[in-house]
Amino acid sequence: GQNIDQPTEMTATEGAIVQINCTYQTSGFNGLFWYQQHAGEAPTFLSYNVLDGLEEKGRFSSFLSRSKGYSYLLLKELQMKDSASYLCAVRDGDYKLSFGAGTTVTVRA
Amino acid sequence: IAGITQAPTSQILAAGRRMTLRCTQDMRHNAMYWYRQDLGLGLRLIHYSNTAGTTGKGEVPDGYSVSRANTDDFPLTLASAVPSQTSVYFCASSEQGAAYEQYFGPGTRLTVT
Repeated sequence: GQNIDQPTEMTATEGAIVQINCTYQTSGFNGLFWYQQHAGEAPTFLSYNVLDGLEEKGRFSSFLSRSKGYSYLLLKELQMKDSASYLCAVRDGDYKLSFGAGTTVTVRA
Repeated sequence: IAGITQAPTSQILAAGRRMTLRCTQDMRHNAMYWYRQDLGLGLRLIHYSNTAGTTGKGEVPDGYSVSRANTDDFPLTLASAVPSQTSVYFCASSEQGAAYEQYFGPGTRLTVT
């Protein structure tokens, strides 16, 4: 089976930086995805990592270490609209996605 | 507008009734998926289809069935609904290949009473 762990909740102040960690143990690995999901809405794609290292996309960056089974999503210059759940998902050896339970980020003024 | 549509948006269903959730995409994606999302458990894969005419079981397939008669449509059927199937159901699609992200529909909120 798959085991994907991420913190349940995080709170940060507008303009600050927040790092959401994700650890995984899966049967096979074909990439790691981060999705954003606002309350009552569908998940939307944020980032994809398949090789070790940092991928930067504007205010959002994602890091992967395959040897450690570890990833993080870094959100910089937080805005109120960044309040959402962030889902870590791993594509396994059968190319199916397994999701963590999600981290709810609350941005306070 | 290209994307995925789901119907109905929400439904209250009596236990024991049969229900089909509809999903249609117009992106010509080969792969389609059904997930359920429950508080504290995240998204769990119910069934998937890598291409028209083929389907496979995900993590939680019991009580659900799917068909994939063509590329665009991927309906999910609950043959005899039970209260534990109360959930939000998301359909998704993607190109085939490890690097392609999945696009999600708006979801169906189902309550089984």
